[in-house]
Amino acid sequence: GNSVTQMEGPVTLSEEAFLTINCTYTATGYPSLFWYVQYPGEGLQLLLKATKADDKGSNKGFEATYRKETTSFHLEKGSVQVSDSAVYFCALSDRNNAGNMLTFGGGTRLMVKP
Amino acid sequence: GAVVSQHPSWVICKSGTSVKIECRSLDFQATTMFWYRQFPKQSLMLMATSNEGSKATYEQGVEKDKFLINHASLTLSTLTVTSAHPEDSSFYICSARRGGLAGGPGHPGELFFGEGSRLTVL
Repeated sequence: GNSVTQMEGPVTLSEEAFLTINCTYTATGYPSLFWYVQYPGEGLQLLLKATKADDKGSNKGFEATYRKETTSFHLEKGSVQVSDSAVYFCALSDRNNAGNMLTFGGGTRLMVKP
Repeated sequence: GAVVSQHPSWVICKSGTSVKIECRSLDFQATTMFWYRQFPKQSLMLMATSNEGSKATYEQGVEKDKFLINHASLTLSTLTVTSAHPEDSSFYICSARRGGLAGGPGHPGELFFGEGSRLTVL
């Protein structure tokens, strides 16, 4: 079956620090990969995505590259801000799975201190 | 603003009562909606897929009679937790997949999530 594993949090960083949140996956097909962000009191929002190997998703300064050889989709940002404090979820969608259902990782809480 | 809205955002109920949570797509018609459950410090677990006009498809281990899902229109799906017990206390999140009409936010097939509903059963 499909699964997503991401590093446990919380991750605590100072403002302007470099961020990496690791994510690896197991899938039977050729999945699309996603990062979702959940700000306090809000629902999940799509942050970025990549649909095939070597694609790089990017948004709001965040980046993640689809690495098929290492089955990874690590999230990075060069300089985090306090407003980036949230819970980040890595997810995959198996193209062979009709309905576009998502399999989520456990979530990683990021806390950015001023 | 939010394109998928859930109501209520939080609810407290007594054990044995039933609670209904609504999920509405505000800007588009959603042929498919998904219900997830999020336990503290854990990820979202898919409970069921709700298809407009037909029966929901439940994931293995999810009690159909416990968690009733009704997708009566293209903009509304409801989750009813029947005879709630303290172990049903959780954060329930819905998502809607845009389909059908052209226009609207995002791309066809993109998933939008609601704000979540926190259920506490005393």
